[in-house]
Amino acid sequence: QLQLQESGPGLVKPSETLSLTCTVSGGSISSGTYFWGWIRQPPGKGLDWIGSISYDGRSYYNPSLKSRVTISVDTSKNQFSLNLSSVTAADTAVHYCARRRGSYVEYWGQGTLVTVSS
Amino acid sequence: QSALTQPASVSGSPGQSITISCTGTSSDVGRYNYVSWYQQHPGKAPKLMIYEVTNRPSGVSNRFSGSKSGNTASLTISGLQAEDEADYYCSSYTSSSTYVFGTGTKVTVL
Repeated sequence: QLQLQESGPGLVKPSETLSLTCTVSGGSISSGTYFWGWIRQPPGKGLDWIGSISYDGRSYYNPSLKSRVTISVDTSKNQFSLNLSSVTAADTAVHYCARRRGSYVEYWGQGTLVTVSS
Repeated sequence: QSALTQPASVSGSPGQSITISCTGTSSDVGRYNYVSWYQQHPGKAPKLMIYEVTNRPSGVSNRFSGSKSGNTASLTISGLQAEDEADYYCSSYTSSSTYVFGTGTKVTVL
């Protein structure tokens, strides 16, 4: 059974960069035609698609975040990562890593809360 | 890109059927059969309930069904049960090669 686990700081200061890593177990990040991505959910609000990347580096980002987001993949560690620069309080959210199969997300991480505060 | 529009809340009694709508545009819901639906219980990660408009993943009850007409997709829950009380989100692929989620619907079982 595929499992995804997010890791990274739970607290980030305003104007700094939010960095999270997703470790994939139970399967190879290089197998198949999947996309690996990030989705966030501000407290009490809805889901917001951040972006996705294929194992060979093809990436797609939410246009509203594109100037601040980078998603990368490390096949040697079976991990992929999220960097979101110049964060503000509006970026406070539970961040989920996920595996997309075609047009839908079939596997989700448990989510990790990142709070932006000084 | 704007979030797809869903009703904020829908309620029904046990055993009844309810339908949740998801309205987009001709650039997303109306253009592609790439609409999926997710169920989210409080404090939990979302769970895939329907993909590609009408398909149900293995293990999901056949009480859940999906459909689409024009720019609006719908999720129907028949034989409503207490365990169905949750938030539901639709999602669609877009003409910009991105994805967009719906605003979310809270389902209450009376």
